[in-house]
Amino acid sequence: DADVTQTPRNRITKTGKRIMLECSQTKGHDRMYWYRQDPGLGLRLIYYSFDVKDINKGEISDGYSVSRQAQAKFSLSLESAIPNQTALYFCATSDLTGNLLDTQYFGPGTRLTVL
Amino acid sequence: TQLLEQSPQFLSIQEGENLTVYCNSSSVFSSLQWYRQEPGEGPVLLVTVVTGGEVKKLKRLTFQFGDARKDSSLHITAAQPGDTGLYLCAGGPGQNFVFGPGTRLSVLP
Repeated sequence: DADVTQTPRNRITKTGKRIMLECSQTKGHDRMYWYRQDPGLGLRLIYYSFDVKDINKGEISDGYSVSRQAQAKFSLSLESAIPNQTALYFCATSDLTGNLLDTQYFGPGTRLTVL
Repeated sequence: TQLLEQSPQFLSIQEGENLTVYCNSSSVFSSLQWYRQEPGEGPVLLVTVVTGGEVKKLKRLTFQFGDARKDSSLHITAAQPGDTGLYLCAGGPGQNFVFGPGTRLSVLP
């Protein structure tokens, strides 16, 4: 079984709808992240959480919210979806590795289309 | 905000050829990572480099971190179709790292 799972894998929705993307991990990591990926722009950080009580905004948090329900679960919500939120969304986890960059373990992604 | 640039953006080569892709920044990074992303999947870590001038090898892949820790390169020897994918570099101080836009490599049989 995959260590980091995302649901749904694909979603098509309409402008103005509320959408929730879910992420679960079995790696036992404290740190979890949500990214979006757009062609030519790479991965951009939306929100991250270093433990259950810690939530931090990333580079592009406007229009998004998150909830860390447990160590293993981190969900991303779009309260009122708009077309420019059409993208590939990735959840990732990491564990503290001292001064080095954490190794990030990514889920398979959710392809979201907002019409 | 620290930015990473990658070049080329796209690269299509024949099986057996050698290639080098680059990751550059105007900022100094404490460490840098390379990930490979295959279609329909999330990125997977290939290597982390932390020391200026460091060279790491992973089978046919050679990674180098620039002496000034502002750039890195990935060289693939005798590319194979299985090397096809999006190659992303990521760097930063501590845990606040950023990703480059990636180089999309296609290796044709």
